[in-house]
Amino acid sequence: EIVLTQSPATVSVSPGERVTLSCGASQSVTASYLAWYQQRPGLAPRLVIYDASNRATGIPDRFSGGGSGTDFTLTISRLEPEDFAVYYCQQYASAPWTFGQGTRVDIK
Amino acid sequence: QVQLVQSGAEVKRPGASVRVSCKASGYPFNNYYIHWVRQAPGQGLEWMGVVSPTGGSPIYAQRFLGRITMTTDTRTSSVYLEVSSLRSDDTATYYCARTLVMISAVIPGALDVWGLGTRVTVSS
Repeated sequence: EIVLTQSPATVSVSPGERVTLSCGASQSVTASYLAWYQQRPGLAPRLVIYDASNRATGIPDRFSGGGSGTDFTLTISRLEPEDFAVYYCQQYASAPWTFGQGTRVDIK
Repeated sequence: QVQLVQSGAEVKRPGASVRVSCKASGYPFNNYYIHWVRQAPGQGLEWMGVVSPTGGSPIYAQRFLGRITMTTDTRTSSVYLEVSSLRSDDTATYYCARTLVMISAVIPGALDVWGLGTRVTVSS
C-alpha cells in the first residue's frame, strides 16, 4: 500500500498570498497518477489537479500541481477567499487507492 | 448535467447492515468506474473500493473485505454499497464518485464527479 504524507497539517495564509502544499509517497507513484482534491466544510471533495499537473475542468489557473516519483506539490498562487479549505492528495497508481491525511489552509 | 444522486441519511444499530445507493445520470453509465469513499466526522477521506458498472469483481480495500459489497444495476444506472456488521466507527459520510477517464482508456483516473454523500450513523 502506498502511504501518502501531507505537510504541513495546517497552514495560515493571508488572501492574495501564495502557498505550496506537499505530498510525499512511501513509494514511487507510477506515471504520476496523483490527484489533489479541495474540500470545503460540509461539501463533497472537488477534483483540482489530476495526473500530478493537469487542472480539472473549471479550476482557475492560480492552482498548479507538480512533482513526480515520490514528491508532489500543489501551489495556489494568489489565495482567494473561496480557496480556504482542506486539500487532500490521492494516488490511483495502484490498489488500494490511498489519500493523504489532508492539509487545512486557514485564513491568517 | 453529469451527476450522482445518493440516498438519504441512515441511522442503524450496531450489528445491522446498511445499503447506500448512488444513481448516475447525464453520461453513459456503462463507460465509467464508480468508487466509494467514506469520511468519519472530522476525519480524512478513506477509499473503500471500486466497481465496474457492467459487472465483474469489485476491488475492495483490504480492511473492508468480508464486510462490504458493491453492486450495480444497469437498468437504473445505479450503484449500491452494502456494509454489514456495523460498528460505531462506521459512522461516516459515504460518497460515491466517478472516475475521470473511461473504462475503455485502460488507464486509471482520478475522481471527477462526486455524489453529495450519505450520512450513516451507527448508534445504540
